[in-house]
Amino acid sequence: GESVGLHLPTLSVQEGDNSIINCAYSNSASDYFIWYKQESGKGPQFIIDIRSNMDKRQGQRVTVLLNKTVKHLSLQIAATQPGDSAVYFCAENMAPGTYKYIFGTGTRLKVLA
Amino acid sequence: DGGITQSPKYLFRKEGQNVTLSCEQNLNHDAMYWYRQDPGQGLRLIYYSQIVNDFQKGDIAEGYSVSREKKESFPLTVTSAQKNPTAFYLCASSPSGLAQNEQFFGPGTRLTVL
Repeated sequence: GESVGLHLPTLSVQEGDNSIINCAYSNSASDYFIWYKQESGKGPQFIIDIRSNMDKRQGQRVTVLLNKTVKHLSLQIAATQPGDSAVYFCAENMAPGTYKYIFGTGTRLKVLA
Repeated sequence: DGGITQSPKYLFRKEGQNVTLSCEQNLNHDAMYWYRQDPGQGLRLIYYSQIVNDFQKGDIAEGYSVSREKKESFPLTVTSAQKNPTAFYLCASSPSGLAQNEQFFGPGTRLTVL
């Protein structure tokens, strides 16, 4: 959308393929992470979250992987569909038990028919 | 339907004018937040409120003001002191400001200063 990520990295995938979107987070002390999906001109929608005591969490068609050693988070979308086209960004909770999140700039996912 | 609403969707303002963006939630959430989104940047926190009648500045509060007189409502005023107000504004809420919770976002308001 016009408000989001005019110069974002873009991942193009064929419909039906799997997508992997990556995020490098900044604080080794962050212990809670969220992936959001944002469609053009809309507010972000929660997809999946993970706490730092886990390496992997699965949802419906989505999986989040957390590698604390290299401060890396990834979102895997299985059997990507046209409705998955959006900007995806991660958020890290900077201090346990607080409101404070740092949000990534996002990756634009384009699903090719 | 439970959710968080923002109005208006698009807002135009002349330079030097104050403008208020509305945010309402019927999720019975204690905490509410205002973020600003600019192209190529992550969301940045303007103000947040953990409970009624209480709010704190976020990272970019200058030129903005808020109130939290009711649990359901957290309006944001963009004042003429804000140097670069054109942006997409997002309101969010969460059950508690103290626990690690998902934040639920509204649909956003696009503010353009003419």
